[in-house]
Amino acid sequence: EAQVTQNPRYLITVTGKKLTVTCSQNMNHEYMSWYRQDPGLGLRQIYYSMNVEVTDKGDVPEGYKVSRKEKRNFPLILESPSPNQTSLYFCASAVGANYGYTFGSGTRLTVV
Amino acid sequence: DAKTTQPNSMESNEEEPVHLPCNHSTISGTDYIHWYRQLPSQGPEYVIHGLTSNVNNRMASLAIAEDRKSSTLILHRATLRDAAVYYCILRDRSGGSNYKLTFGKGTLLTVNP
Repeated sequence: EAQVTQNPRYLITVTGKKLTVTCSQNMNHEYMSWYRQDPGLGLRQIYYSMNVEVTDKGDVPEGYKVSRKEKRNFPLILESPSPNQTSLYFCASAVGANYGYTFGSGTRLTVV
Repeated sequence: DAKTTQPNSMESNEEEPVHLPCNHSTISGTDYIHWYRQLPSQGPEYVIHGLTSNVNNRMASLAIAEDRKSSTLILHRATLRDAAVYYCILRDRSGGSNYKLTFGKGTLLTVNP
């Protein structure tokens, strides 16, 4: 089944403790992206990647890092999480601009 | 990306057709019209997209006005599983390398049994 898999689904962590949210897709898509969803603010793009070793900032990249060493994986890294990064995170992939995106099921992160 | 306007909420009865409107008066000639939906506690799900002509797929139909300033997503027979927030998004097909989707507030569809 074609899908985007995120792990973990739920995570509670403490301020400053580095964490990684993994994202993997099995559709050989070149484009991948991370979004966060917050009440009243909707979905906002954090980072995106056009292909292996090609990444760029979205609208809200502060406090996040990404890497794209393999086509299928696009992890989101929080080097020093803070409470304002408490949010629902979604990874997405796509063939290209004129095709539908496939989203993961989400990761609910709480930073205390 | 150009802006879209959708009603905050709509209500439907099960097994009846649902027409979800979207206004996009500032649409440019290179914008595709995308629709996504988000069920409770799930990630957004692609529904349909089109450029100028009406489009059909197994989930829904997309009717696009002749001047492209508005469109309507049509669910032919609503089920309880169709209760979700529906997003109408314009995606510029010539918009460089970032295939970003800009989500608005969408329309919350309630389906009554």
